[in-house]
Amino acid sequence: GAGVSQSPRYKVAKRGQDVALRCDPISGHVSLFWYQQALGQGPEFLTYFQNEAQLDKSGLPSDRFFAERPEGSVSTLKIQRTQQEDSAVYLCASSLDRPSQETQYFGPGTRLLVL
Amino acid sequence: GQNIDQPTEMTATEGAIVQINCTYQTSGFNGLFWYQQHAGEAPTFLSYNVLDGLEEKGRFSSFLSRSKGYSYLLLKELQMKDSASYLCAVEDSNYQLIWGAGTKLIIKP
Repeated sequence: GAGVSQSPRYKVAKRGQDVALRCDPISGHVSLFWYQQALGQGPEFLTYFQNEAQLDKSGLPSDRFFAERPEGSVSTLKIQRTQQEDSAVYLCASSLDRPSQETQYFGPGTRLLVL
Repeated sequence: GQNIDQPTEMTATEGAIVQINCTYQTSGFNGLFWYQQHAGEAPTFLSYNVLDGLEEKGRFSSFLSRSKGYSYLLLKELQMKDSASYLCAVEDSNYQLIWGAGTKLIIKP
């Protein structure tokens, strides 16, 4: 595709609900990243995939957060039993190859509000 | 710990020049990126430095000193559309991007 796309763009959830956020990376991009960005802050790393392999999930804040990329393209970030502190923008980025000096291209983000 | 510091907010005048500084302390260094982020939008890539010195790209230039853990982004001939947040990010030894909180740049006519 022309760029990284994410859906939904906005999501309002009641506390305790499960949510699923989708990311479609640029076609052919091997690496995919998920970030969480709070208002007025820089992105915080959540997890990284190389193709379908989740190589780093050290940034996931709790076991309520789960990410997958089963076929090495589209990825889903799932948050179970959402809490108010999960409210943030969730950014997905992809890059052509494995990290190291590769520019990451970002999607527009999903703005999650947990009430 | 890992730390990226940049000013929270800066104000400049249309047509002028502004320099946004970034200092970093990270576990390893594989390069430094500058991204621009307009409110409510995704970050977009501006520049990448891995060697000391100045990289020039049109109205934007980025400088790196690895020995000092320091970089700056220089914006010339400022335009109103340059009003945005500017994010400094360092790739550490694990190839993770460590991000600063961003500098909100306000351009006044």
